[in-house]
Amino acid sequence: GAVVSQHPSRVICKSGTSVKIECRSLDFQATTMFWYRQFPKKSLMLMATSNEGSKATYEQGVEKDKFLINHASLTLSTLTVTSAHPEDSSFYICSARFEGEDWGYTFGSGTRLTVV
Amino acid sequence: GEDVEQSLFLSVREGDSSVINCTYTDSSSTYLYWYKQEPGAGLQLLTYIFSNMDMKQDQRLTVLLNKKDKHLSLRIADTQTGDSAIYFCAEIFTGGGNKLTFGTGTQLKVEL
Repeated sequence: GAVVSQHPSRVICKSGTSVKIECRSLDFQATTMFWYRQFPKKSLMLMATSNEGSKATYEQGVEKDKFLINHASLTLSTLTVTSAHPEDSSFYICSARFEGEDWGYTFGSGTRLTVV
Repeated sequence: GEDVEQSLFLSVREGDSSVINCTYTDSSSTYLYWYKQEPGAGLQLLTYIFSNMDMKQDQRLTVLLNKKDKHLSLRIADTQTGDSAIYFCAEIFTGGGNKLTFGTGTQLKVEL
């Protein structure tokens, strides 16, 4: 249980275009999802907390107009990288909090974004 | 802010035990986790421990928590080549808003 599906796994886009990444909770409802960015051989950096039905909470230094987050349902959060530039190339991972008899955080398989 | 530190690299021989260490600065940690990340993949939850516990064992994995020294460790018994990956400790601490704070990650290499 508590599986998160993230798509696409890899995407290559041209500079100036926008890319949408989806994060779905498959067998549970996730009121809170998290978006991380990971640089090569580095730890995960939290970008924002996505709350169903309300605005996302962004971490300091993360441009909310650049990284648009939408959490319109209890099973889907999306991250859109707008007007992508090569420096946006990175590994993006989503996570969802699951609750029940046990609770914790489960992660998607990540999206490798390359902007050319 | 909270700092969570790990040694960058660990190399062990197949069949030996691996011990991955993690130190943190905030004493108000409530839950502490260990995650495994294989190349190009997301994070897999391995185990977790509540802050009111000292030890937790789950098959080949043993987690030890020393709250006084703010030190967390993960011991992997009978380490296999399939255990080669990056291991992250992560914690939730009071005042952190239910957000995970990750350690810097330890690259475990298992050699034959």
